[in-house]
Amino acid sequence: EVQLVESGGGLVQPGGSLRLSCTASGFSFRSHWMSWVRLAPGKGLEWVANIKQDGSEKNYVDSVKGRFTISRDNAKDSLYLQMDSLRDEDTAIYYCAREWGASYFDYWGQGTLVTVSS
Amino acid sequence: DIQMTQSPSSLSASVGDRVTITCRASQSISSYLNWYQQKPGKAPKLLIYVASSLQSGVPSRFSGSGSGTDFTLTISSLQPEDFATYYCQQSYSTPYSFGQGTKLEIK
Repeated sequence: EVQLVESGGGLVQPGGSLRLSCTASGFSFRSHWMSWVRLAPGKGLEWVANIKQDGSEKNYVDSVKGRFTISRDNAKDSLYLQMDSLRDEDTAIYYCAREWGASYFDYWGQGTLVTVSS
Repeated sequence: DIQMTQSPSSLSASVGDRVTITCRASQSISSYLNWYQQKPGKAPKLLIYVASSLQSGVPSRFSGSGSGTDFTLTISSLQPEDFATYYCQQSYSTPYSFGQGTKLEIK
């Protein structure tokens, strides 16, 4: 059974940092692109970033470029999102998602809540 | 960047109704269009991929169509468990983007 489990969310002050983790099981993690997607309160889904199987290629939405860094450790079946210089508007539930085929997201974690507030 | 526009933003319907949600891309995305369902407090669930392919385990009352810039998701006969928010998503190019969502409510 494919499982994605996020952790690392919490309350942080504006300008602070947080590192999210996503642990995968039930599939060959090293064979898939992986993404982070977020859902802000009262808003819709927003794709944040993705990373190629070997970590050699990374893409970001403009609003997080230069502040967020996606990475992975295939030996640990884990995906990460380092979030720096956090802003109020980064408050959201963050989901990790597996990409498959034509880059659709076929499996999602349960999400971890990040709250940026003073 | 590709913008995705869904309509309507909200929709009231009854059990048994046929419902159609529309998604338009700001440029051609071929068939790189996917649909998700999200219920409150839950992760999104993939329903349809590459415009018209039904994800395994998804009931056949869900269907998708379209190509280029205009796409539709149709639910042929609404069931109580279908009341949720629906999102389209383009996977043609990064940054991937979602529509703003369509909230389907019980009439």
